[in-house]
Amino acid sequence: GAVVSQHPSRVICKSGTSVKIECRSLDFQATTMFWYRQFPKQSLMLMATSNEGSKATYEQGVEKDKFLINHASLTLSTLTVTSAHPEDSSFYICSARLAGGLGETQYFGPGTRLLVL
Amino acid sequence: RKEVEQDPGPFNVPEGATVAFNCTYSNSASQSFFWYRQDCRKEPKLLMSVYSSGNEDGRFTAQLNRASQYISLLIRDSKLSDSATYLCVVPVSGGYNKLIFGAGTRLAVHP
Repeated sequence: GAVVSQHPSRVICKSGTSVKIECRSLDFQATTMFWYRQFPKQSLMLMATSNEGSKATYEQGVEKDKFLINHASLTLSTLTVTSAHPEDSSFYICSARLAGGLGETQYFGPGTRLLVL
Repeated sequence: RKEVEQDPGPFNVPEGATVAFNCTYSNSASQSFFWYRQDCRKEPKLLMSVYSSGNEDGRFTAQLNRASQYISLLIRDSKLSDSATYLCVVPVSGGYNKLIFGAGTRLAVHP
């Protein structure tokens, strides 16, 4: 099956710093990638939809200036959490939709666990 | 009403038991549905897709009731390895096919 990787797998940072998370589709091209956030004992919440070569579409309540998304190629999308604060500590998961694929199947990355001190 | 609702559980069952989870959705226009499995501190993995009235894959059976807007997942002959959180997922049609995740149902299978 299609493989999606994320880097880093976990990061601990001080409050106020920025953290960049990479999402790569390893063996397929993805015109659309999705970024989710999951707090403990809660479900995945979609943050934004990232399309190659265009601006990301953010869900209601997600600050676009705080969560910067860049989808520069068909295999790479990045999420930068700017000026991270403890409340941004969460599990961030990306998914990729196969370019030209049928249906809504998304392939998920292994996630990035962010802890902001 | 939440877009996707699930009983959070946990469901504690012995090995070999049959267990069923239900999920209700609010968008009557939804055409396809998914069950994902998520292990602790891991990403979700697709378990089953449901496009018509139901789907069966080995010990797992998913059924769809469009009139009542619910989807069920039945697991027969539970194994210890089935212990996980099961997520009901409904795509939002149009645009880029966003997925709406339910909060998940926890299953714990014990010896």
